[in-house]
Amino acid sequence: EVQLVESGGGLVLPGGSLRLSCAASGFTLNSYLMSWVRQTPGKGLEWVAHINQDGSEKYYVDSVKGRFTISRDNADNSLYLQMNSLTAEDTAVYYCARLAIWSFDNWGQGTLVTVSS
Amino acid sequence: DIQMTQSPSTLSASVGDRVTITCRASQSLSNWLAWYQQKPGKAPKLLIYKASILETGVPSRFSGSASGTEFTLTITSLQPDDFATYYCQHYKTYFPAFSFGPGTKVDIQ
Repeated sequence: EVQLVESGGGLVLPGGSLRLSCAASGFTLNSYLMSWVRQTPGKGLEWVAHINQDGSEKYYVDSVKGRFTISRDNADNSLYLQMNSLTAEDTAVYYCARLAIWSFDNWGQGTLVTVSS
Repeated sequence: DIQMTQSPSTLSASVGDRVTITCRASQSLSNWLAWYQQKPGKAPKLLIYKASILETGVPSRFSGSASGTEFTLTITSLQPDDFATYYCQHYKTYFPAFSFGPGTKVDIQ
């Protein structure tokens, strides 16, 4: 059974940093592109970033470019999202999601990131 | 940039109804269009990918179709488990990026 389990969310001050992790199991991580997707009540679902199988290609939504970094450790079956210079607009539930045929076929349960003073 | 719209934003229906949700793009899209179902407090669940291919394990009462810039999700006979919010999602091939529609909430009439 495919499982994706996010961790690392929490309350952070504006301008602060947070690192999200996603532990993958039940499939061969290095065979798949992986992604982070976030959701807010106001903006709905938003793709944040994705990374190819060996980590050599990374793509980001414009609003996080230069602030967020997606990475992966296939040997450790893990996906990461380093988030710097956080603002209130980054407050959301962050999902780790597996990509297949350009759709997100498996999702984690999500981790809540709250940026507030 | 491609804008995705969904209609209606809310839909009230009864068990057994045929339900149709439409996703439109501001310009012509490839068929890299997917549909998701989301229930409160849960992650989205993939229903359909590449516009019309049913994800494994999804009931056959769900179907998807495409015509130009319009994509449709149809539920042929609404079941109690189907009351949820539905999102479309497009993959933009010429610049690797994804966009989601704003969602359609299907609630009980």
